[in-house]
Amino acid sequence: AQTVTQSQPEMSVQEAETVTLSCTYDTSESDYYLFWYKQPPSRQMILVIRQEAYKQQNATENRFSVNFQKAAKSFSLKISDSQLGDAAMYFCAFSGANSKLTFGKGITLSVRP
Amino acid sequence: NAGVMQNPRHLVRRRGQEARLRCSPMKGHSHVYWYRQLPEEGLKFMVYLQKENIIDESGMPKERFSAEFPKEGPSILRIQQVVRGDSAAYFCASSTEVANEKLFFGSGTQLSVL
Repeated sequence: AQTVTQSQPEMSVQEAETVTLSCTYDTSESDYYLFWYKQPPSRQMILVIRQEAYKQQNATENRFSVNFQKAAKSFSLKISDSQLGDAAMYFCAFSGANSKLTFGKGITLSVRP
Repeated sequence: NAGVMQNPRHLVRRRGQEARLRCSPMKGHSHVYWYRQLPEEGLKFMVYLQKENIIDESGMPKERFSAEFPKEGPSILRIQQVVRGDSAAYFCASSTEVANEKLFFGSGTQLSVL
């Protein structure tokens, strides 16, 4: 069974600064996908970024990028130039051959103006 | 193209009543997933359905819970004889193919059991 661990329950960042959210996972599969989802107070689950395990290049989406370390089973999210609208819960998730998403417990990110 | 639609957004039930949660997937999507989110927790997989078929219900409690995705109409998650522990946010997601493609989530139904 896969597990996803987000050990930091909350983090805070100054507006315009950079913050990194940590995530580790455990799996015996070699082909899988990793995701970061954002959940604002509206409760909507918004896909932030996706990484395919067979790709060595780290995924990037505008101000969001990941540091994917396959051997270490680590998948951190970096948010650059943080904005007030980035404040939300962030969930790391794993999807393997069985197509189910396994989520971490999430981290609450607050952005200080 | 409307997104994944879930209704109701909030549902209040008394213990012992039935709860019916509806999910209309995005147009053209034939794969539906249900997840449950308890307070301060991540989403937990419940069931994966395709039209008229339950593909994987390994995350569904064995009793009181059932799900369907008929040929016509929305997917329904049904909880019979609700208990306080069923209080949670229930999310539906849909995709065109297996979930390694991008999943589109609905806004969830918050179930409160009094």
